[in-house]
Amino acid sequence: DAGVIQSPRHEVTEMGQEVTLRCKPISGHDYLFWYRQTMMRGLELLIYFNNNVPIDDSGMPEDRFSAKMPNASFSTLKIQPSEPRDSAVYFCASSGRGYGYTFGSGTRLTVV
Amino acid sequence: AQSVSQHNHHVILSEAASLELGCNYSYGGTVNLFWYVQYPGQHLQLLLKYFSGDPLVKGIKGFEAEFIKSKFSFNLRKPSVQWSDTAEYFCAVNAISGGGADGLTFGKGTHLIIQP
Repeated sequence: DAGVIQSPRHEVTEMGQEVTLRCKPISGHDYLFWYRQTMMRGLELLIYFNNNVPIDDSGMPEDRFSAKMPNASFSTLKIQPSEPRDSAVYFCASSGRGYGYTFGSGTRLTVV
Repeated sequence: AQSVSQHNHHVILSEAASLELGCNYSYGGTVNLFWYVQYPGQHLQLLLKYFSGDPLVKGIKGFEAEFIKSKFSFNLRKPSVQWSDTAEYFCAVNAISGGGADGLTFGKGTHLIIQP
């Protein structure tokens, strides 16, 4: 099992540009979570899906953030337009029953 | 909504010392509890988890944790730490509702430094 796969590992972009982060969950897992990690705020849950349906997006900071899960094997987190304060490590995690979680390696986003 | 509090933000120990990291949560219902470790520049890895049953849970790398329901606590312990245990440790909880479990809520983390 390849685990949760995230791409890209690092992303540097200019303020105002669109950024798309990608995640491939573990096959058979029906929950997918997006987290953001910063020094100031720690790990924050942004949104999670169950069977490709968004269940709770209350952690999404603002309308510039959007997430989709078009099928069971792929999810995206998009930021448009990006701002320097969006700089963080974004983790994707998946779970088979919503109880245990496997995390991806993360995407380190830097917005300059 | 649930919340998690980790008492120590930074802990410095010498090798072979005993470790205990505190974790308290606030939620009135049933929860699952987790400890994750994050080595520098890496992703989170599960150390151990508690769902039900024996409140003393043993995990990987010699770590264990005890769930004390009356104290809403889930402290992490290791009898003798090694230099390779230097990392960030996160306590996490998810609430169990009728429809299943919600996302994990993490504590702020404890940065553990082990001195040779």
